[in-house]
Amino acid sequence: GENVEQHPSTLSVQEGDSAVIKCTYSDSASNYFPWYKQELGKGPQLIIDIRSNVGEKKDQRIAVTLNKTAKHFSLHITETQPEDSAVYFCAASTSYNTDKLIFGTGTRLQVFP
Amino acid sequence: DTGVSQDPRHKITKRGQNVTFRCDPISEHNRLYWYRQTLGQGPEFLTYFQNEAQLEKSRLLSDRFSAERPKGSFSTLEIQRTEQGDSAMYLCASSLRLLGEQFFGPGTRLTVL
Repeated sequence: GENVEQHPSTLSVQEGDSAVIKCTYSDSASNYFPWYKQELGKGPQLIIDIRSNVGEKKDQRIAVTLNKTAKHFSLHITETQPEDSAVYFCAASTSYNTDKLIFGTGTRLQVFP
Repeated sequence: DTGVSQDPRHKITKRGQNVTFRCDPISEHNRLYWYRQTLGQGPEFLTYFQNEAQLEKSRLLSDRFSAERPKGSFSTLEIQRTEQGDSAMYLCASSLRLLGEQFFGPGTRLTVL
């Protein structure tokens, strides 16, 4: 079945440094790749997404890259701040049948002041 | 606030009891999804509605689980004869279009004693 692998499971960085989280998906038909941030006690919140017809997308300090050939996509956060501390999930979806999201196992990011 | 709402936020029940959760999606969102999230894992897809029609159910959704979305508005998820393994966060999400952003609610945390 469809599978999304996410690494690392935990990531600690100093404030101002960059953070990179990587995901690999198994279904070559996947064409939508969102990233969600989840804070304690809350539901996931979309921070950025990318579709298969685009290789890179940037929104201020956050960027996502997609390599369809290798079935990899990555989240890049620059100039990290303590409020970036949370659990981040990647996900993949296809447009046939339902667009259900298949999530990775999450990365706990800690940004130390 | 016009986000996705879920009720109750927390539910503690004894094994064997039935429980029902409610999700109110963002108005005009005709797509509604239920996911389950266990500690340290990403959300897992349970079921999907387009308007009032339930179009896909995960194999995770045993016969003890049933979901409805009468009139294509709010949705309910019922678990009969709860088991300790049902303890999890149950998340609801809604979206406006295929491969559009899925907006998540705060979740209902179920604890089965």
